[in-house]
Amino acid sequence: RKEVEQDPGPFNVPEGATVAFNCTYSNSASQSFFWYRQDCRKEPKLLMSVYSSGNEDGRFTAQLNRASQYISLLIRDSKLSDSATYLCVVLMDSNYQLIWGAGTKLIIKP
Amino acid sequence: DVKVTQSSRYLVKRTGEKVFLECVQDMDHENMFWYRQDPGLGLRLIYFSYDVKMKEKGDIPEGYSVSREKKERFSLILESASTNQTSMYLCASSYDRATHGYTFGSGTRLTVV
Repeated sequence: RKEVEQDPGPFNVPEGATVAFNCTYSNSASQSFFWYRQDCRKEPKLLMSVYSSGNEDGRFTAQLNRASQYISLLIRDSKLSDSATYLCVVLMDSNYQLIWGAGTKLIIKP
Repeated sequence: DVKVTQSSRYLVKRTGEKVFLECVQDMDHENMFWYRQDPGLGLRLIYFSYDVKMKEKGDIPEGYSVSREKKERFSLILESASTNQTSMYLCASSYDRATHGYTFGSGTRLTVV
């Protein structure tokens, strides 16, 4: 079983719709969580951190469920420019290593 | 903004060649990392360094070595390139070990033929 698992997609979503991604992690000692965005043939860039109480940044909302060991990302009112691959990332406090999911591809259609 | 620069965007090398991938960052970060990214596998850590002349193995160090003679430069070396090392290589740097703020270079797509 992979340490961080994501649905690879692609998710094909019409512009303006709401889309949600989930990510599960296997190590209950994981302490810090992030979402990165990666455009086609580009490097990953930090989208947002995920805090225990949940957090929001504009149209993006991140949630953490420690009991079930999953993280979610919600995108409201999706734009064409949201098309990208979204990477779930977990920081292991024991050795400060980042564990990366393989990513979920999102395609927003007009 | 932190800038991480990788010397080559695309590279084609022959099996058995020694390959050098260079990475330079301009924000005095102590921490630098080399990853490879393959479809369906996510980013996998090859080597990392928390200080000059310091290096530690990541998850998949076999077939690779690194060099960090200066703080701003972290080089990845493929001692004898093989076709299974065809991949996208990404360099990153960060301010501290526990930060989420990894800044990546634009990547080097290496093809070994």
